[in-house]
Amino acid sequence: SQELEQSPQSLIVQEGKNLTINCTSSKTLYGLYWYKQKYGEGLIFLMMLQKGGEEKSHEKITAKLDEKKQQSSLHITASQPSHAGIYLCGAALQGGATNKLIFGTGTLLAVQP
Amino acid sequence: DSGVTQTPKHLITATGQRVTLRCSPRSGDLSVYWYQQSLDQGLQFLIQYYNGEERAKGNILERFSAQQFPDLHSELNLSSLELGDSALYFCASSVGSSGNIQYFGAGTRLSVL
Repeated sequence: SQELEQSPQSLIVQEGKNLTINCTSSKTLYGLYWYKQKYGEGLIFLMMLQKGGEEKSHEKITAKLDEKKQQSSLHITASQPSHAGIYLCGAALQGGATNKLIFGTGTLLAVQP
Repeated sequence: DSGVTQTPKHLITATGQRVTLRCSPRSGDLSVYWYQQSLDQGLQFLIQYYNGEERAKGNILERFSAQQFPDLHSELNLSSLELGDSALYFCASSVGSSGNIQYFGAGTRLSVL
């Protein structure tokens, strides 16, 4: 979707290296969700961000939502082969009584041992 | 395991046919969402139901319809199928109608021949 740009489209890193994936919206984000997907499988929830400036971490993955709530980043520290997959950001672009998500095009991450 | 159950996992059918995809949400979740994932369009929101009522609609074709039943399971009906309808169809569920984490099922892979 043009409303949500995700970069880079693909990434190959050596095991142990750090990496960052970005997700930029043309509109204010009411919520930003990061998911991981193995090819052809379901999406696994990673993190949810709702407040400007919010930062959350789980194991070696940190996600941030900038103050203006239009950009988020996902940072992986000391990458491992288990981190390989497709990372998707999903954005709630309207408030109110719906939580429909617009998804970015995804970032394909490969981690070389 | 997300707790969201989708059946069937795979479906192969012919053009012009009609199929029904089924989704059982996580226990306690009132919202059900349907998404379509294809190589050219990415992951696209189709429709959301909350406690039996339609809450939001996305780019859902008129040939497609959905409903959520009193026991909260949902069905997505696809009719007059075309080759371009071949895709992965995901169901997700959340506790509320907005601001909640969506948990995704494993998907139904539809192949239209």
